[in-house]
Amino acid sequence: DGGITQSPKYLFRKEGQNVTLSCEQNLNHDAMYWYRQDPGQGLRLIYYSQIVNDFQKGDIAEGYSVSREKKESFPLTVTSAQKNPTAFYLCASSRSGQTYGYTFGSGTRLTVV
Amino acid sequence: DQQVKQNSPSLSVQEGRISILNCDYTNSMFDYFLWYKKYPAEGPTFLISISSIKDKNEDGRFTVFLNKSAKHLSLHIVPSQPGDSAVYFCAASSNDYKLSFGAGTTVTVRA
Repeated sequence: DGGITQSPKYLFRKEGQNVTLSCEQNLNHDAMYWYRQDPGQGLRLIYYSQIVNDFQKGDIAEGYSVSREKKESFPLTVTSAQKNPTAFYLCASSRSGQTYGYTFGSGTRLTVV
Repeated sequence: DQQVKQNSPSLSVQEGRISILNCDYTNSMFDYFLWYKKYPAEGPTFLISISSIKDKNEDGRFTVFLNKSAKHLSLHIVPSQPGDSAVYFCAASSNDYKLSFGAGTTVTVRA
């Protein structure tokens, strides 16, 4: 079955550490996205990529970095520069030009300890 | 600055009755609107959408209405069922295909 896989499901980070969240899809989608969910604020776009080796900042990119070396993979690194990283992170993918075709992963809950 | 707003954080409805969820937007460039449903600890799943050239789209128990002049859309669920208890996100996009989401409305269907 095609789908999008995020790992790990739960992640704990000490202050000052960088952590990387994994996102893999086998849907042959060109575009991939990272969103962050905080209570009462909905989903906010961190980074997105429409094609391999290219990505753009979303609305809240500060303190995050991404790479898109393969079509299937779009890892997100939460750096120590992100002041409030505790949140639920969602990865999504879609065919280019098809907003209705967003498929979301099941998310990663990141907690700073 | 949030361009998509869902002003009701929660909604409680009796099983079998109608659920009405509201969404307002500020960006006049938005031309496609979607509703997503999300259960706890899961990713959102697509529910229904509407293009700006239409004012209504229906899919089974779910109907979305769009009022472009008011920059307002609503989702009607009739009849509401216990499995409809979830968080519902309104989303919108312009021709750059990025989705802007509202804060979500938590729907609780009472037996």
